Amino acid sequence: RKEVEQDPGPFNVPEGATVAFNCTYSNSASQSFFWYRQDCRKEPKLLMSVYSSGNEDGRFTAQLNRASQYISLLIRDSKLSDSATYLCVVNEGGGFKTIFGAGTRLFVKA
Amino acid sequence: DTEVTQTPKHLVMGMTNKKSLKCEQHMGHRAMYWYKQKAKKPPELMFVYSYEKLSINESVPSRFSPECPNSSLLNLHLHALQPEDSALYLCASSQDPGQGFREQYFGPGTRLTVT
Repeated sequence: RKEVEQDPGPFNVPEGATVAFNCTYSNSASQSFFWYRQDCRKEPKLLMSVYSSGNEDGRFTAQLNRASQYISLLIRDSKLSDSATYLCVVNEGGGFKTIFGAGTRLFVKA
Repeated sequence: DTEVTQTPKHLVMGMTNKKSLKCEQHMGHRAMYWYKQKAKKPPELMFVYSYEKLSINESVPSRFSPECPNSSLLNLHLHALQPEDSALYLCASSQDPGQGFREQYFGPGTRLTVT
């Protein structure tokens, strides 16, 4: 089993749609969780940190389920500019070791 | 300002060359990272420096040699690379890790081609 797993997609959605991604992690000692987006041939950019209480930033909502060991990202009212790869990142045990999921590819179409 | 800069943007080198990649941040971050990313794959951690000391070496071959001259700078020295080392090399930094892991900020990367 991979340490961090994501559905690679691609997810093809129309503008205005709501789309959700999940990411599962295997290490129950994982402490910090993040979502990054990466555009083609660019660097990953931080989208959101994921807190135990969940957090929302505009059209984006992230949630953490420790019992089931997954995090989720919900994008509402999708825009063309949301087309990217979304990377789930998990930090294990508070040290420096971070594990990236393989990424979920999203295409938003007009 | 969450900027991490990297130079050069592109690098083509032969297998016998020696070159260096440079990374700089002025956010006061005390942890800096090197990642390698192949096409259509996620970034893979190579090295981590914390307070200018090497904290993690993910069993990276010795042809890659990191250096952290001060808290703002991170170098990656390259020597006798192989064609399979061609990739995007990303630098990242994060805040003082003493209070729990913090989010990382990435530079734009150096796209390396080994011929």
